[in-house]
Amino acid sequence: DTEVTQTPKHLVMGMTNKKSLKCEQHMGHRAMYWYKQKAKKPPELMFVYSYEKLSINESVPSRFSPECPNSSLLNLHLHALQPEDSALYLCASSQEGGGQNSPLHFGNGTRLTVT
Amino acid sequence: AQSVTQLDSQVPVFEEAPVELRCNYSSSVSVYLFWYVQYPNQGLQLLLKYLSGSTLVKGINGFEAEFNKSQTSFHLRKPSVHISDTAEYFCAVSGQGAQKLVFGQGTRLTINP
Repeated sequence: DTEVTQTPKHLVMGMTNKKSLKCEQHMGHRAMYWYKQKAKKPPELMFVYSYEKLSINESVPSRFSPECPNSSLLNLHLHALQPEDSALYLCASSQEGGGQNSPLHFGNGTRLTVT
Repeated sequence: AQSVTQLDSQVPVFEEAPVELRCNYSSSVSVYLFWYVQYPNQGLQLLLKYLSGSTLVKGINGFEAEFNKSQTSFHLRKPSVHISDTAEYFCAVSGQGAQKLVFGQGTRLTINP
């Protein structure tokens, strides 16, 4: 069982919808991440939160909006997405942000389909 | 900056045969190296990591990897594979002061009976 929980597992949304992806971890980790993964490709980093502050935004379009309400929760708000945004969205956490000698712990992802 | 190259996109092997998945990296600073496995419809799971110390690193599920600084490699090995090892394997590199992990393109390991 993964220690990083993502909901929902699957999401189908139209291009005019607003939806949110949720991620939760209870390992006391202080860094949390959103990755996007297309089929047969490695994960691509989108956002990093370190100590509940946004520390990295990899030039992600504004139709993706992250939020970190507390150290255990991470949300990704979605609005006006395009079909090419369909992908597996992975949440991850690590003990510390920056330095990157702490392994990432991944959730099982949300499979997003934009119609 | 760091980069990583996984030399094989696909590796087919027979069950109970040994396997080696190759990974080369480049970095201008001290590196931290990782192998992750992704089973179908799941997230990534850490197999093993090299941070410092012994160059031979043992991980879960019988996998091991050797850090070779002179050849800038971190190849993953298993002496005898099982059907359940069928998955995508990602090598990843980070380094001192780096803000993020850099993933290789992945190697698809397929085990044939």
